[in-house]
Order: sequence, then C-alpha cells, then structure tokens
Amino acid sequence: RKEVEQDPGPFNVPEGATVAFNCTYSNSASQSFFWYRQDCRKEPKLLMSVYSSGNEDGRFTAQLNRASQYISLLIRDSKLSDSATYLCVVKDRGGTASKLTFGTGTRLQVTL
Amino acid sequence: DTGVSQNPRHKITKRGQNVTFRCDPISEHNRLYWYRQTLGQGPEFLTYFQNEAQLEKSRLLSDRFSAERPKGSFSTLEIQRTEQGDSAMYLCASSKTSGSINEQFFGPGTRLTVL
Repeated sequence: RKEVEQDPGPFNVPEGATVAFNCTYSNSASQSFFWYRQDCRKEPKLLMSVYSSGNEDGRFTAQLNRASQYISLLIRDSKLSDSATYLCVVKDRGGTASKLTFGTGTRLQVTL
Repeated sequence: DTGVSQNPRHKITKRGQNVTFRCDPISEHNRLYWYRQTLGQGPEFLTYFQNEAQLEKSRLLSDRFSAERPKGSFSTLEIQRTEQGDSAMYLCASSKTSGSINEQFFGPGTRLTVL
C-alpha cells in the first residue's frame, strides 16, 4: 500500500465548476499536511497547508480528518488557470525526518 | 532570481556513464533535499542535508548514488554507472529550519535521460 494515495484522474471540469480531490495516508504519526500544485514540466509549488480545523484560501478549501487519515481539497469556481496536477503531501513526525512524502497527484483539466 | 537553481536542466547520457548534477539553494536556507520524479508519479525523497551534514538517505539511494554539500551551500548529486532506470527528473528543494511550516521550495529540476 502506498503511503499517500490519490485518484490520478484526470478530472475534466468546465470553467466555473466546483471540484474536490481526496487523499488518504497510511502513517498515523504523520505530522503536517500540504497540497502542492505542479504545472506540466514544472516544479511543485506549495498551494496550501492543511490544518485539522480546515482552512480556506480564496477559492480553495482544505480539510484534514486525522481519525480517518483523509485529506481533501475543494476548488470552487474553477478557472482555466487551475489546470494542473495537485499533489497531496505529508510530512512525518520525529527524529531528523523532514522529508515530504508525495502522492501520485491528481490531474485537473478545466475547459471552456 | 533568488529561487533554487539546478544545473544542467537536461542531461542525456549513455548507459554506464557517470553524471553529476548541481543544486544551489535559496541563500538563507540551511536544509537541502533531493527528490526523484518519474512520469505519472509524485516526487520521491532521496536524501536530505542540514548544513553540510547528510542526515537521511532513502533506500532508493543505491550505492551508485552519492550526494554532497561540502560547505553547506550548494549540493551535488552524482550517479555512477547510469542505468536506463535512472531516467527521471531530479528535483532539489531547500527550506529553513525556523518557522512553523518550513516550506520546501523546489528548483526547476534536472531531467536525466539514459540511453
């Protein structure tokens, strides 16, 4: 079983739609959670951190359920520029471990 | 540009050759990471430095791979006797130790093709 699992998609949605991505992680000791965005042939960039209380940044809402080991990302009013791969990322607790563990990514294509 | 830089951006080599990649982190960042990404997958952790000390290595990092960060600034990743399975994007990232998020900033990557 992969440490971080995501539906690879692609998700094809029309402009203005609301789309949700889900992710599960296997290590219950995971400490921090993030969504990264990666455009085609570019490097990953941090989109937002994910907090237990849920957090929102403009059209983007992230939620974390520690009991279910489940993370979600909701994008409202999708724009063409939202087309990218969205990577679910966890960081583990303890020791010198500072590495990020990435899911395979979910590809989003927003169309006219 | 004060972001993470990587050189070369592309490298094509023949199987069995050695290759070396360089990463220059953001100047005030004391942590530096190497990841590898293949098509359709997320980045996979290879190794991590805090200053000049290499603190963690993935089991993905076989004996043919070696990374250094001699002065705690730039880092090099060398692959000896390359194999076709080494073809991938090699990403470098850097971060600070302070701060609540310790966001890792990624460089543009070096795309390696082994023929």
